[in-house]
Amino acid sequence: EAGVAQSPRYKIIEKRQSVAFWCNPISGHATLYWYQQILGQGPKLLIQFQNNGVVDDSQLPKDRFSAERLKGVDSTLKIQPAKLEDSAVYLCASSPLRGPWSPLHFGNGTRLTVT
Amino acid sequence: SQQGEEDPQALSIQEGENATMNCSYKTSINNLQWYRQNSGRGLVHLILIRSNEREKHSGRLRVTLDTSKKSSSLLITASRAADTASYFCATAPYGGSQGNLIFGKGTKLSVKP
Repeated sequence: EAGVAQSPRYKIIEKRQSVAFWCNPISGHATLYWYQQILGQGPKLLIQFQNNGVVDDSQLPKDRFSAERLKGVDSTLKIQPAKLEDSAVYLCASSPLRGPWSPLHFGNGTRLTVT
Repeated sequence: SQQGEEDPQALSIQEGENATMNCSYKTSINNLQWYRQNSGRGLVHLILIRSNEREKHSGRLRVTLDTSKKSSSLLITASRAADTASYFCATAPYGGSQGNLIFGKGTKLSVKP
């Protein structure tokens, strides 16, 4: 099966600019996650979708971050305006089931550098 | 917030040796999972151990779980250069948002040929 696809792989922007990341999960996976991974740390959940509905966005900085999953398939994550501390790798993951028993399948991520 | 804490932060061994990584966590869990991340890549799921299990094997991997001590260990036997990667434990907190795994900071393993 094809894996989780993410684009772009790398992005460099200046602070206060906006940026968007795209994710296409594994076909048939109902649950989609966006994680932020700062250098030297483990991934931190930003938002979780079940089909096209938000399950958990408690750690999403909603003043600057937004995400959507139209039609319950692809998803985009946007940052506007970006801050220096947003420099990180943004990982998309999907799983076939909702719940803690289903391992996550990760994409290779988008490395964002904010200057 | 990060629940899991891996130990050591970095580990360097020779090919053929065994590698042991430890993970401690703070709250009750449904299960604990281990993931591997190669440099510049996404995470890959290795193994899942349920809270009512004490030990699990998968190929050269052996995972133990001690819920009374809130700790887990990952053993990689007969390591290979290709095992060089960062290893993360992730916990699924009991009663937490379903599917919300909490990752530790990881152990960076280097296996020298």
